[in-house]
Amino acid sequence: SQTIHQWPATLVQPVGSPLSLECTVEGTSNPNLYWYRQAAGRGLQLLFYSVGIGQISSEVPQNLSASRPQDRQFILSSKKLLLSDSGFYLCAWSRRPGELFFGEGSRLTVL
Amino acid sequence: AQRVTQPEKLLSVFKGAPVELKCNYSYSGSPELFWYVQYSRQRLQLLLRHISRESIKGFTADLNKGETSFHLKKPFAQEEDSAMYYCALRHPYGQNFVFGPGTRLSVLP
Repeated sequence: SQTIHQWPATLVQPVGSPLSLECTVEGTSNPNLYWYRQAAGRGLQLLFYSVGIGQISSEVPQNLSASRPQDRQFILSSKKLLLSDSGFYLCAWSRRPGELFFGEGSRLTVL
Repeated sequence: AQRVTQPEKLLSVFKGAPVELKCNYSYSGSPELFWYVQYSRQRLQLLLRHISRESIKGFTADLNKGETSFHLKKPFAQEEDSAMYYCALRHPYGQNFVFGPGTRLSVLP
């Protein structure tokens, strides 16, 4: 069966520090991968998605970037965090076509 | 542009009462529609999708292309239905899922 792992679950970082959130999928190959940010009252905002290794589509210009160094690995990064980067980040995967399967999320607090 | 709206941020009903969570979308075509649910301390998960035409946990949703709606309904709400519900759409051949802002359902005893 397929599983998705996302870490760290919680992270507290000072403004200006770097960020790396990691997501891996097991039990499937060549999945579509996604990073969403979940904010109260605003739903899920798509940040990045990837249909293959090295292929990243950015939906919202911002202080974040994403990379897919391996088929089942998706990384969300920032070189210098801003206060506004605080939030709950969700990684997800899907088949083509198919439903989304979500990770448990990472709560980032920038101080 | 693709857009999903859920007019109610919070919906409170009593146990045993009918419940309807509204979802409207704007899309020039025939999208796939989904309802996702997030129970307390659990991950976001699929509840149902319109192409399946299933009833999951007593919930049903009918796609109304004329009204561009995909409302979620249950005739008799249960306390365990309390959760955050998100409506979402996807182009049949696309990769993006667009989510609505979500409705928090609270079923009171």
